[in-house]
Amino acid sequence: GAVVSQHPSRVICKSGTSVKIECRSLDFQATTMFWYRQFPKQSLMLMATSNEGSKATYEQGVEKDKFLINHASLTLSTLTVTSAHPEDSSFYICSARWDRGYGYTFGSGTRLTVV
Amino acid sequence: GENVEQHPSTLSVQEGDSAVIKCTYSDSASNYFPWYKQELGKRPQLIIDIRSNVGEKKDQRIAVTLNKTAKHFSLHITETQPEDSAVYFCAATPFGNEKLTFGTGTRLTIIP
Repeated sequence: GAVVSQHPSRVICKSGTSVKIECRSLDFQATTMFWYRQFPKQSLMLMATSNEGSKATYEQGVEKDKFLINHASLTLSTLTVTSAHPEDSSFYICSARWDRGYGYTFGSGTRLTVV
Repeated sequence: GENVEQHPSTLSVQEGDSAVIKCTYSDSASNYFPWYKQELGKRPQLIIDIRSNVGEKKDQRIAVTLNKTAKHFSLHITETQPEDSAVYFCAATPFGNEKLTFGTGTRLTIIP
């Protein structure tokens, strides 16, 4: 149980274009979804926290107009990287808090490469 | 906010020996401390966790200890095997906050 499906797993896009990453909770309701970014050989850095039906809360230094997060339902949250640039190339991972107690489950991650 | 420090950043141990990774946290309100194993390009996998109402938890070859007074917790892996090679992250979160703050990671290499 508690599976989060994340797509796409890899994406290459041209500089200036936008990319959408989806995370779906398959067997539980994800009232809260966390979005992380991980650069090579570094830790997971929280970008934003999204709650179903409300605006996301962004961490300090994360541009909310560049990283658009939508959490329109209890099973789907999306992250759109707008006007992507090479420095946005990274590994993006979503995580959801289980609705049945302690624990967090992670998506499989999206490797974004901006060329 | 919470700040989690993790040491060492790299650790190499002979197969069969034990490995210990240590983390300290800053927020005394933190009460949930998970440990994750991450292989290259993969998602973090929970390997063990502990809540602040206990001091130690063990699951086969893996154990975690927590010292609330000193605000540190440690991961212990015994009888290490080559498949234990990975990056390990500790994390902490205060009850009700839900945000996980991660440590900087430890790259563990098991030498056959």
